[in-house]
Amino acid sequence: QVQLVQSGAEMKKPGASVKVSCKTSGYTFIDYGISWVRQAPGQGLEWMAWINTYNGNTNYAQIFRDRVTMTIDTSTSTVHMELRSLRSDDTAVYFCLRDHNFMPDYWGRGTLVTVSS
Amino acid sequence: QTVVTQEPSLTVSPGGTVTLTCASSTGTVTSDCYPNWFQQKPGQAPRSLISRTTNQHPWTPARFSGSLLGGKAALTLSGVQPEDEADYYCLLHCVGGWVFGGGTKLTVL
Repeated sequence: QVQLVQSGAEMKKPGASVKVSCKTSGYTFIDYGISWVRQAPGQGLEWMAWINTYNGNTNYAQIFRDRVTMTIDTSTSTVHMELRSLRSDDTAVYFCLRDHNFMPDYWGRGTLVTVSS
Repeated sequence: QTVVTQEPSLTVSPGGTVTLTCASSTGTVTSDCYPNWFQQKPGQAPRSLISRTTNQHPWTPARFSGSLLGGKAALTLSGVQPEDEADYYCLLHCVGGWVFGGGTKLTVL
């Protein structure tokens, strides 16, 4: 069965970086892209970025373009998302989401990132 | 930056029918915006319901259907169940990247 297993909760100080991972299984990794979505406490969903796991092409929401980097580890079928220069308003649950041909389907359970001094 | 607009809240009676809509600041929503719909219950990850305007996922209950309506994407729930009370989000890819709507809080009362 398809699974997207995310890394554990993180607590970071303002200005630091965080790297969240999304380990996939149950399907052919390079056949599906991965998007990252976040949700601040009590707020709605916000799309951040997408990566093509076949060729590494990326697409970023403009507001994250300078602070987000995604990388792929095909040996472990894992996608990593790094967010830099953290601020308190980056406190959120970060989700990974499988996407093929504009049809997102399976979600990870989310990773809570807390940014606090 | 594209803004995607949904009704902030709607209320429906059990067994009733309700339609949620999703509008884009770029203009008419078409199938080329690849509308997607998601359901989220408190404390849970979102769940995908509808992809590319009308396509249900294998786990999507038959009472959920997607369409285009009056220049917007629409999600219709027919024969609403108490467990359908949740937040619903649309997601569009009209220009550039994906953009979520602000979500609709659906109350079943």
